[in-house]
Amino acid sequence: KAGVTQTPRYLIKTRGQQVTLSCSPISGHRSVSWYQQTPGQGLQFLFEYFSETQRNKGNFPGRFSGRQFSNSRSEMNVSTLELGDSALYLCASSADRGSTDTQYFGPGTRLTVL
Amino acid sequence: EDQVTQSPEALRLQEGESSSLNCSYTVSGLRGLFWYRQDPGKGPEFLFTLYSAGEEKEKERLKATLTKKESFLHITAPKPEDSATYLCAVQAGSNYQLIWGAGTKLIIKP
Repeated sequence: KAGVTQTPRYLIKTRGQQVTLSCSPISGHRSVSWYQQTPGQGLQFLFEYFSETQRNKGNFPGRFSGRQFSNSRSEMNVSTLELGDSALYLCASSADRGSTDTQYFGPGTRLTVL
Repeated sequence: EDQVTQSPEALRLQEGESSSLNCSYTVSGLRGLFWYRQDPGKGPEFLFTLYSAGEEKEKERLKATLTKKESFLHITAPKPEDSATYLCAVQAGSNYQLIWGAGTKLIIKP
């Protein structure tokens, strides 16, 4: 079974630009969560989607948004990039929110904002 | 407030020197505790899920245990390839969102 895939793996953008990251979950998984990871802050939860609906949202500004498609693939978008948005963005998928769920992570997208 | 604390922040061991990492939590209604391993620049790799106090799980040189207030990740006779950051996360109550610890950076010297 293929794991979680994320594209692109690396991105370099300049301040003020916008970026879209993509995540394909494990086949059959319906929940996708997004995290931002920086050396100083650790793993910070961005949002979670389940069956195309945002179920949970972390404490990030509105510049960070996401969506999920009917095939469970998800995208996150960051508009008006700031230097502080440089981070590893991780996507994780899980099978079913009806019970304790194990999240499986993708390799991440390394975003550098210049 | 729900909280997860990992200690120590960093741990340096000689190859073969066994030790334990700690994950303490204060949450209401624990539903599951998760251990992950993360190598630099990569996504966390799932290791274990523990559901109730007294439960233990093993995988190669790793053994995870759970009490009502904390979990330990025991590493027996570690090798340099066990060097990584070990993350602990908790799922509790009706919230499906995971609460993460800051991680323990483990360095095994040959």
